[in-house]
Amino acid sequence: GQQVMQIPQYQHVQEGEDFTTYCNSSTTLSNIQWYKQRPGGHPVFLIQLVKSGEVKKQKRLTFQFGEAKKNSSLHITATQTTDVGTYFCAGASGGGADGLTFGKGTHLIIQP
Amino acid sequence: NAGVTQTPKFRILKIGQSMTLQCTQDMNHNYMYWYRQDPGMGLKLIYYSVGAGITDKGEVPNGYNVSRSTTEDFPLRLELAAPSQTSVYFCASTLGPAGNSPLHFGNGTRLTVT
Repeated sequence: GQQVMQIPQYQHVQEGEDFTTYCNSSTTLSNIQWYKQRPGGHPVFLIQLVKSGEVKKQKRLTFQFGEAKKNSSLHITATQTTDVGTYFCAGASGGGADGLTFGKGTHLIIQP
Repeated sequence: NAGVTQTPKFRILKIGQSMTLQCTQDMNHNYMYWYRQDPGMGLKLIYYSVGAGITDKGEVPNGYNVSRSTTEDFPLRLELAAPSQTSVYFCASTLGPAGNSPLHFGNGTRLTVT
């Protein structure tokens, strides 16, 4: 079945440093979604990427979808303490109701 | 709109006990899902429903049952609780299929089986 690998598992940064998490799929994706989960909270949808090579920005967050639609990345510029949490990618293979596979997430820990 | 509401927030069960995790949404979404999240892991799909009266198994359905009698409600039933079912359970809903639509999650139920 489809596998979605996400690295790194943990990332410690000093406040103000940049952060990047990477997502790789074993199969070509129809689209990819990104979620953020604060400690003790629930996942919250951030964005969906659909097109090959797509790049989208949300303030300090930049999301990219690879040309082959098998990988994606999330980059945060100048991290702030409010960025703490776990970032998950979720790859869709066919658009079906059960067609979303989550990566294990990257835990972002920020040291003031 | 309250969105997706889950109850209870926390529960401790003894091995062999049963319970129902409640989930209701007020967004008129046809699609609803149950995920479990184990420490350090991503989300695993237990069951899903594409509409009232229709349910289907996800990746890890063993030990669970669901029903969908209304659009709003999608309860998850654990019949004989086992320690392996200790986890955080999230209910979610979408307007369209999850592969194309953002998931709206509830706040989760933290279940411990001892």
